[in-house]
Amino acid sequence: GDSVTQMEGPVTLSEEACLTINCTYTATGYPSLFWYVQYPGEGLQLLLKATKADDKGSNKGFEATYRKETTSFHLEKGSVQVSDSAVYFCALSDPDSSYKLIFGSGTRLLVRP
Amino acid sequence: ETGVTQTPRHLVMGMTNKKSLKCEQHLGHNAMYWYKQSAKKPLELMFVYSLEERVENNSVPSRFSPECPNSSHLFLHLHTLQPEDSALYLCASSQGADTQYFGPGTRLTVL
Repeated sequence: GDSVTQMEGPVTLSEEACLTINCTYTATGYPSLFWYVQYPGEGLQLLLKATKADDKGSNKGFEATYRKETTSFHLEKGSVQVSDSAVYFCALSDPDSSYKLIFGSGTRLLVRP
Repeated sequence: ETGVTQTPRHLVMGMTNKKSLKCEQHLGHNAMYWYKQSAKKPLELMFVYSLEERVENNSVPSRFSPECPNSSHLFLHLHTLQPEDSALYLCASSQGADTQYFGPGTRLTVL
């Protein structure tokens, strides 16, 4: 079945370091891809999305490109801040059930001053 | 973010209690969802309502009973829960099958 695999966390970085969180997926058809972020004590917030191959989603300095050839949607940021500390979830929309999102297990990011 | 609100934010209940979680969306969406988030497990979709009709029910035990009286409100009625049901319960909404927007969640502890 369809699935999403994220890199294991936690990821610990110093402020202003570069960030990459890997996400790969397995899906039939052509899903949309998403990154959600969960700050401590809060629900999930949509960070960015891409709906077709080669699309780049971007928001708040974060970017991710939908790579069909490598079935990847890696999250990147050039310079992280302490306020970026959170758990990041990669997800895809299930092509067989349009209401269903399939989530990865999440990657915790800790940014130190 | 106040598009999707959930109450209460925290709930502690005994196994014999009956309680309800409430979700309200202010985004004009026509689909609403309940998810369960447990420690060290991926998010689990529990129920989906579209136009107030249930369209997904992912083998959820009958001690969880959803209700969607209109397109803006969604409830999750709880009775005779087990300690393993302790989790963060998240509500979400969307317009059709478009992007889902989440509420802050209810942290449930079952004693």
